[in-house]
Parts: sequence; structure tokens; C-alpha cells
Amino acid sequence: AQTVTQSQPEMSVQEAETVTLSCTYDTSESDYYLFWYKQPPSRQMILVIRQEAYKQQNATENRFSVNFQKAAKSFSLKISDSQLGDAAMYFCAYALSNFGNEKLTFGTGTRLTIIP
Amino acid sequence: DAGVIQSPRHEVTEMGQEVTLRCKPISGHNSLFWYRQTMMRGLELLIYFNNNVPIDDSGMPEDRFSAKMPNASFSTLKIQPSEPRDSAVYFCASTSLGGAPNQPQHFGDGTRLSIL
Repeated sequence: AQTVTQSQPEMSVQEAETVTLSCTYDTSESDYYLFWYKQPPSRQMILVIRQEAYKQQNATENRFSVNFQKAAKSFSLKISDSQLGDAAMYFCAYALSNFGNEKLTFGTGTRLTIIP
Repeated sequence: DAGVIQSPRHEVTEMGQEVTLRCKPISGHNSLFWYRQTMMRGLELLIYFNNNVPIDDSGMPEDRFSAKMPNASFSTLKIQPSEPRDSAVYFCASTSLGGAPNQPQHFGDGTRLSIL
């Protein structure tokens, strides 16, 4: 079974600084997808960024980027120029790329605090 | 476009009562997921449907839980009888099969369920 591990229950960063959230996963598959979801206090689950395992290039979405290390099964999220609105729980998630089997497996989350 | 719509947003009821949570997926999406979020266990998949057919219900905790999807635009998750340990936030998510590989799941705002 696939597992996703987030070893940092809480992180904090000064506003405008850069922070990196860690995620590791375990799978025997070669083709899969990885995601970072953000959950603010409003409790919405918002997709931040996703990475296809077959792509070597790291995904980037504005201030958010990932460092995907397939051999190490590591998928960290870097937030640049942190803003107060980035404060939230961040969940790393994994999904197989098999057609019809897109269920997500989530990590336990990292609570990110932004210090003004 | 309307997102995934869940109702009710909050539900408080007494132990032993029947609880029904509702979900309307995004129009055109043909895959629907029910997740449960608790402090202890994080986000867990309960069940998911493809084209209204249940594919994997291995996450359903016990027979007190049941889910249906009578048509493409509606799904219910029912707990009967409810117990205090069922208190959690229940999320519904939907995505589109058959398009680009592994379209991201879009989440509803969740139902916060409290069983007294």
C-alpha cells in the first residue's frame, strides 16, 4: 500500500521569507501523481500544485514550486515570498495514474504559520 | 462555474440518530469521492464512485456507513446509527475520468459532523 509521510507537524516562517515543507512517500509504482493541497481555516481543500512522476522537471505555480526527487521518493514544497494568506494546513497527497483509480492518499499535514 | 456542493455545512445530532450527508459534484464530472478528516487519522478515503458505480469502499469503517450515487449529479453518505466517534469533517470531491490523465480532484467545503 502507498503511504505518504509529512514529518513536520508545524512550521513557521517570517513574512516575505521562503519556507520548504517536506513530504516523502512509499510506492512500488513507477507512474503516479503527487499533489500539495492547502487547507485554510475555512477548511476548503485547495489544490496548490501537482507533479507527474514521469516528468523530471519540477512543477512551478507562481510562488510555489516543488523539489521532486523520484529515486529518494521525496516531494517538498517551497513557498517563496511568504504571505499572510499562505497560513494554512498543507497536505501532501499521492495518486496512481491508473485509469479509474484516482483515489488520493494524504499525509498527516503540516500547519504553516506566517509571522508578520 | 459552481464547485462541488455539500450539505449541510454543519450537523449536530444525538447518538443513535440517522445522519445523511449530501453531495452534488461538478457538472460533467463522473468520478466522486467521499473522505473523512479527523485529528487522529487525518484525511481518509471512505468510498469512491466512477460513473455512479462504487469502485472501492474498503475505507468505509463499518456497516453503519453506506453511500449511494443514484445519478451523476447526486450522492449521499449515510450513517445509521451514528456514534460520537463518527464526529469529523466529511468531504466530497469530484473529478473527470477520461480526460487528461488524473485530473485533480475538486473538493467541496465539507460537512462538520458532531455526534453528541
